[in-house]
Amino acid sequence: KQEVTQIPAALSVPEGENLVLNCSFTDSAIYNLQWFRQDPGKGLTSLLLIQSSQREQTSGRLNASLDKSSGRSTLYIAASQPGDSATYLCAPGSFGNEKLTFGTGTRLTIIP
Amino acid sequence: DTAVSQTPKYLVTQMGNDKSIKCEQNLGHDTMYWYKQDSKKFLKIMFSYNNKELIINETVPNRFSPKSPDKAHLNLHINSLELGDSAVYFCASSHGGLQQYFGPGTRLTVT
Repeated sequence: KQEVTQIPAALSVPEGENLVLNCSFTDSAIYNLQWFRQDPGKGLTSLLLIQSSQREQTSGRLNASLDKSSGRSTLYIAASQPGDSATYLCAPGSFGNEKLTFGTGTRLTIIP
Repeated sequence: DTAVSQTPKYLVTQMGNDKSIKCEQNLGHDTMYWYKQDSKKFLKIMFSYNNKELIINETVPNRFSPKSPDKAHLNLHINSLELGDSAVYFCASSHGGLQQYFGPGTRLTVT
């Protein structure tokens, strides 16, 4: 059974800093891994998708890496902005049924 | 244009009632999902359908029954609602194992 842990649970950083969010998962036999953000009272927005054969994906100021063998992924946010404040969720997907297992998330606050 | 839409956005009902939540996607995706986010914000899959066929059916009470009339719709019907069913329910869709796109959620409150 896949278990996903995200550390830290909460993080506050001043605006402009670069930061890294961590995700670890117990079953390395994954099909892909997605990073989402969730704003309070809102749905999930997909940020990045990494296929199991890839090592990283980039979108603007975001860079996600994947080390499948060690069961780890990181989300790097460059030059953080107050608008980046949200909860970030990591979700590895399993083979065959595309089932996503979510971590408990990291609540990020960017201080202006 | 809303890619994945859900109705209603809020649903308040009493214990014992039966209610439905509707989901529609206009992305042309072949797979749709229902997720539940509990009061601790933990998000867990309930069901998934691929081309109207049930693929994932997690350990969910029989009171929950998904129905997919076509590829673009996946509805969730809940019988005999209980207090513990209070949560936010999210619908999502994807195509070919690629990114999953989520709806805005339906906040269900059972009193």
